[in-house]
Amino acid sequence: NAGVTQTPKFQVLKTGQSMTLQCAQDMNHEYMSWYRQDPGMGLRLIHYSVGAGITDQGEVPNGYNVSRSTTEDFPLRLLSAAPSQTSVYFCASSYGRTGGGNTIYFGEGSWLTVV
Amino acid sequence: AQKVTQAQTEISVVEKEDVTLDCVYETRDTTYYLFWYKQPPSGELVFLIRRNSFDEQNEISGRYSWNFQKSTSSFNFTITASQVVDSAVYFCALSSIQGAQKLVFGQGTRLTINP
Repeated sequence: NAGVTQTPKFQVLKTGQSMTLQCAQDMNHEYMSWYRQDPGMGLRLIHYSVGAGITDQGEVPNGYNVSRSTTEDFPLRLLSAAPSQTSVYFCASSYGRTGGGNTIYFGEGSWLTVV
Repeated sequence: AQKVTQAQTEISVVEKEDVTLDCVYETRDTTYYLFWYKQPPSGELVFLIRRNSFDEQNEISGRYSWNFQKSTSSFNFTITASQVVDSAVYFCALSSIQGAQKLVFGQGTRLTINP
């Protein structure tokens, strides 16, 4: 059972480039989300999805796009990378709504550096 | 607004000492959930515990214990007889019925256990 799988684990981008962080889960979870982790700030929610075809913005959505065409996959797209997007990105999933107390399971993280 | 504060940025103790990590939260909701996650040096986020706002019983799991006090809005985590493998960053997080699909994280406490 792989859980939540993120790729790539490490990536260096030049300012202005675009890229997609991939996320897949094999737990048949309806809820998926993307967080970013910055030093001294904990994790902050970027975008989330409550099911295939449904996405919504989180706390820090600017500069990122998401889509959810299947239950398993939830890719995060950086449209035009900026140095401020240098961060560690975590994909997460849960069986049900976070506010309902469902445990959120995280991927191993993707380290992104924008130069 | 919801907020989680982990006032201890870094803690360093000698192996076998007991250590308590503090977590104070703010929410206006009556139904909410509190979580602790561990982030070891390898970077992944490991779920440790979930507690709902109606259950104030303390919980013990091996060397780990959690003290939830609604009166002081705190959810503290104690490691007894600490070991080097406990070295990690620990995050406290909050979610609520009323909130959006997200966990609100504290800033994290970096715990170093020295041999």
